[in-house]
Amino acid sequence: ETGVTQTPRHLVMGMTNKKSLKCEQHLGHNAMYWYKQSAKKPLELMFVYNFKEQTENNSVPSRFSPECPNSSHLFLHLHTLQPEDSALYLCASSPGGYEKLFFGSGTQLSVL
Amino acid sequence: KQEVTQIPAALSVPEGENLVLNCSFTDSAIYNLQWFRQDPGKGLTSLLLIQSSQREQTSGRLNASLDKSSGRSTLYIAASQPGDSATYLCAVNLSGSQGNLIFGKGTKLSVKP
Repeated sequence: ETGVTQTPRHLVMGMTNKKSLKCEQHLGHNAMYWYKQSAKKPLELMFVYNFKEQTENNSVPSRFSPECPNSSHLFLHLHTLQPEDSALYLCASSPGGYEKLFFGSGTQLSVL
Repeated sequence: KQEVTQIPAALSVPEGENLVLNCSFTDSAIYNLQWFRQDPGKGLTSLLLIQSSQREQTSGRLNASLDKSSGRSTLYIAASQPGDSATYLCAVNLSGSQGNLIFGKGTKLSVKP
């Protein structure tokens, strides 16, 4: 079983839909992250959670709502998205501090 | 504002060649620098992490160097193989900002058999 698992792998949604992305890590890490990778742009950090507490919100619009019920699970709730939100959403985990990040395979999101 | 630049954007080499990928960053106040590999449609795999106090790290055929004062890092791949074909990403971790990696746009490497 891979260290960081993301579901679904692909998601197509309309602008009025509500959907959630799920991430689970099996590495015993204490920190989890959401990153966004848009076409032709560098990856950018969205949220950081340490021990279930959100420690960073990188000026992300409120239509993206993260949830971290425990150190192993991370969700990204989506509502009223725009077509420009179409991107690859990557989850990552780390032991904490400035250690290596381990990434999942991502969810490819298309907003119609 | 920290910016990370990777040159070249794309590189094609014949199998067996040694090659160097370049990464530069504008602010030397970094905690560490990581090199990642990304295969098409996949997530990132961490290759090497260099702490700001280190000069280089090695793993198998990969060697990464860091010159913090000049804002540069290189990833050296020895004896390249077709399986090395992927996009290579460089990212710096800012001091005082855990997990906030600033990424470059990557170098897309193609190794021809």
